Amino acid sequence: AAGVIQSPRHLIKEKRETATLKCYPIPRHDTVYWYQQGPGQDPQFLISFYEKMQSDKGSIPDRFSAQQFSDYHSELNMSSLELGDSALYFCASAGTLSFTDTQYFGPGTRLTVL
Amino acid sequence: AQSVTQLGSHVSVSEGALVLLRCNYSSSVPPYLFWYVQYPNQGLQLLLKYTTGATLVKGINGFEAEFKKSETSFHLTKPSAHMSDAAEYFCAVSDLQFGNEKLTFGTGTRLTIIP
Repeated sequence: AAGVIQSPRHLIKEKRETATLKCYPIPRHDTVYWYQQGPGQDPQFLISFYEKMQSDKGSIPDRFSAQQFSDYHSELNMSSLELGDSALYFCASAGTLSFTDTQYFGPGTRLTVL
Repeated sequence: AQSVTQLGSHVSVSEGALVLLRCNYSSSVPPYLFWYVQYPNQGLQLLLKYTTGATLVKGINGFEAEFKKSETSFHLTKPSAHMSDAAEYFCAVSDLQFGNEKLTFGTGTRLTIIP
């Protein structure tokens, strides 16, 4: 079965650079969630989209922005990167009946900021 | 706001022994509860979930969990541990009734299997 695809899998950036993370949800899933997992930490919710509209927002820095496109893929844009942004970034998708459905996670993008 | 507490950041059991990972939740409405497993350098894989209905939920890899409202618990168990069960386990809660579907995770429990 198709799974959530994230790209790139690994990304190394310098401080103050920008990064773009991409997420391709499972086919026919219309909801995307982004989570950040710091080293040794639990995943923290950043932001979510339903039908290309932002549906919820968590502890996402103002330096970050995200959107969901017409094909339902989503991109997380991160600017003015800081050392503390080094983390594993997960994308998860859910289906149309998302009130009873499950979030399926991608493999994550490991971002390292030097 | 909902939250989950996982008791024990590290749990070690012998191969073949019972696995018990504890999770207690706090929610103002009936919660939707999940257990995810994370292997090293990998993503989160759903083990099982509780939404409504039967309180004993069976998942993959022989794991099961029981929703106990009176104890606000959702502990994860497996009768006989296998070496391949060594991983990080996260309990999570979702407050779907308010349309707030984000997952709130516990701090995780690292399970080590002793040969």
